Amino acid sequence: DAGITQSPRYKITETGRQVTLMCHQTWSHSYMFWYRQDLGHGLRLIYYSAAADITDKGEVPDGYVVSRSKTENFPLTLESATRSQTSVYFCASSPGERGGKTQYFGPGTRLTVL
Amino acid sequence: EDQVTQSPEALRLQEGESSSLNCSYTVSGLRGLFWYRQDPGKGPEFLFTLYSAGEEKEKERLKATLTKKESFLHITAPKPEDSATYLCAGISGGSYIPTFGRGTSLIVHP
Repeated sequence: DAGITQSPRYKITETGRQVTLMCHQTWSHSYMFWYRQDLGHGLRLIYYSAAADITDKGEVPDGYVVSRSKTENFPLTLESATRSQTSVYFCASSPGERGGKTQYFGPGTRLTVL
Repeated sequence: EDQVTQSPEALRLQEGESSSLNCSYTVSGLRGLFWYRQDPGKGPEFLFTLYSAGEEKEKERLKATLTKKESFLHITAPKPEDSATYLCAGISGGSYIPTFGRGTSLIVHP
């Protein structure tokens, strides 16, 4: 299906474990983003990518790692999960220079760290 | 620092009772003001992009307007299915990273 997908949709893990959240988009958008959404904080940017092999930190990058070897994929890894990383994670993409700046969001991954 | 503030935080309406949601922004060189709808357990869904003061866009019962300092999302004769959180975001000319407000939670009672 065309669009932006995230997997898994739900994940429960334990403190200290490594977790990878996947994001895939079929539009060939240049830009991709990872946000976390928590009550009282709204959407907070973790990392973003302007193109394959180009990534940069957002507002709350500590404890997270990203990579983007292909335009369509932008995985987010929690190297050693902590309880404070319990959240809902959203991936988004936007076309970039010629296509505009509107972001399109995936359905989210609800992560619980025990 | 760019800021986007939405008000009210929560709004309860009766079906058919029109109202407006406010999004005030201080974004240097605004190059886009976005409105999203977010249903519980789902990702934000794009509604509108406004680019310049005076611009208006409509979709069904929703109309978004933009001035130099704020944007309004007008909801005319709302229905229960309009219940959702509405997010707005502004983006400056040199950036591809929007600044999001915290949203307005709208509940429309039948």
